[in-house]
Amino acid sequence: SQTIHQWPATLVQPVGSPLSLECTVEGTSNPNLYWYRQAAGRGLQLLFYSVGIGQISSEVPQNLSASRPQDRQFILSSKKLLLSDSGFYLCACHRGGSNNSPLHFGNGTRLTVT
Amino acid sequence: AQTVTQSQPEMSVQEAETVTLSCTYDTSESDYYLFWYKQPPSRQMILVIRQEAYKQQNATENRFSVNFQKAAKSFSLKISDSQLGDAAMYFCAYRSREGNTPLVFGKGTRLSVIA
Repeated sequence: SQTIHQWPATLVQPVGSPLSLECTVEGTSNPNLYWYRQAAGRGLQLLFYSVGIGQISSEVPQNLSASRPQDRQFILSSKKLLLSDSGFYLCACHRGGSNNSPLHFGNGTRLTVT
Repeated sequence: AQTVTQSQPEMSVQEAETVTLSCTYDTSESDYYLFWYKQPPSRQMILVIRQEAYKQQNATENRFSVNFQKAAKSFSLKISDSQLGDAAMYFCAYRSREGNTPLVFGKGTRLSVIA
């Protein structure tokens, strides 16, 4: 089964600082990868998803970006954080080409921008 | 585009009782997948149950079952014999059968279990 490693677990960053959150996947090859953000007590907002190396789809235009340098590595970045970037970030994956397979999630990163 | 609606922001249930969480969705597709996820206070997302639209039989996983009404585009989750550990946010989600499309989530229902 798939395992998702996501780090760091918590992060406090000042406004205007850069951001890099990393996610790696074990147990499957060529997965579909996702970044979600969840505001406190709210639903999941899809930020980016990727169906292959270098292929990134952006769902929400903002100051965040994503990259997939390797098959099982997905990185969320920002050059300058905003206060509104605070939230809980979740990386997720499922087997590529199999829409029936459930989405597996990492443990998340709690980001606080001060 | 598909949308998923969970009309109950919060629900509560007495321990050992049964509760039903509502979910409706909008789609023009005839074949798709539906999921319920649970997010306890730890914030780990856990798959509870899934349903394939072409299967008429409602999915069941132990105390969790769904009432899938395809014509009504309804996919409710029933939790029987509720336990304190069932307290969590519950998210309904939709995914197309074809193509590399992401899951579409509802906004969630926060379930409290009263001892």
